[in-house]
Amino acid sequence: DTAVSQTPKYLVTQMGNDKSIKCEQNLGHDTMYWYKQDSKKFLKIMFSYNNKELIINETVPNRFSPKSPDKAHLNLHINSLELGDSAVYFCASSQVAPITDTQYFGPGTRLTVL
Amino acid sequence: DQQVKQNSPSLSVQEGRISILNCDYTNSMFDYFLWYKKYPAEGPTFLISISSIKDKNEDGRFTVFLNKSAKHLSLHIVPSQPGDSAVYFCAASQASGYALNFGKGTSLLVTP
Repeated sequence: DTAVSQTPKYLVTQMGNDKSIKCEQNLGHDTMYWYKQDSKKFLKIMFSYNNKELIINETVPNRFSPKSPDKAHLNLHINSLELGDSAVYFCASSQVAPITDTQYFGPGTRLTVL
Repeated sequence: DQQVKQNSPSLSVQEGRISILNCDYTNSMFDYFLWYKKYPAEGPTFLISISSIKDKNEDGRFTVFLNKSAKHLSLHIVPSQPGDSAVYFCAASQASGYALNFGKGTSLLVTP
């Protein structure tokens, strides 16, 4: 009955490879997000999708491409991985409300680029 | 540029006492504030929130206070329990559907 799930939990790969991280939420939320937590433990937004449409795209290299096949899924594909991409990536979801919305996070995917 | 700041990287409190975690923000457009708790190797877990129309919100042992004029919020945990030991993140957003801006977190240790 996991609310927001991510696969894989750990990902170790070589520089230059292409990899994907999957995210699914079963909360019925209409908005999903990707955050990156870097080595300094700072959590920062990367993307946000509402009903499969991109609404936030922070200054993220275009090697990162989110894909939302339906509103319950938001996958992150990364091309030509670099050492600096090593981080923990968190998926989150929320239901946009008139005033507030609380974001619920997945367990994270620890990506290590060698 | 970091818009949400948690200036205390760590805090140690004795079991049964009050824990007070502080957070400051710079963007006056923020109108929704949240606290998340995070254990190692897990995602942040929502704890409590407050909108800018309020100055206090209470949920059990957790109370969040908001001082808009000072752009400051705090989380009070009373009484503190060893299971509260975790990293606490303060977050803020401008409006519904906007991304959360996180502080760097405060690591709380509650000792028996």
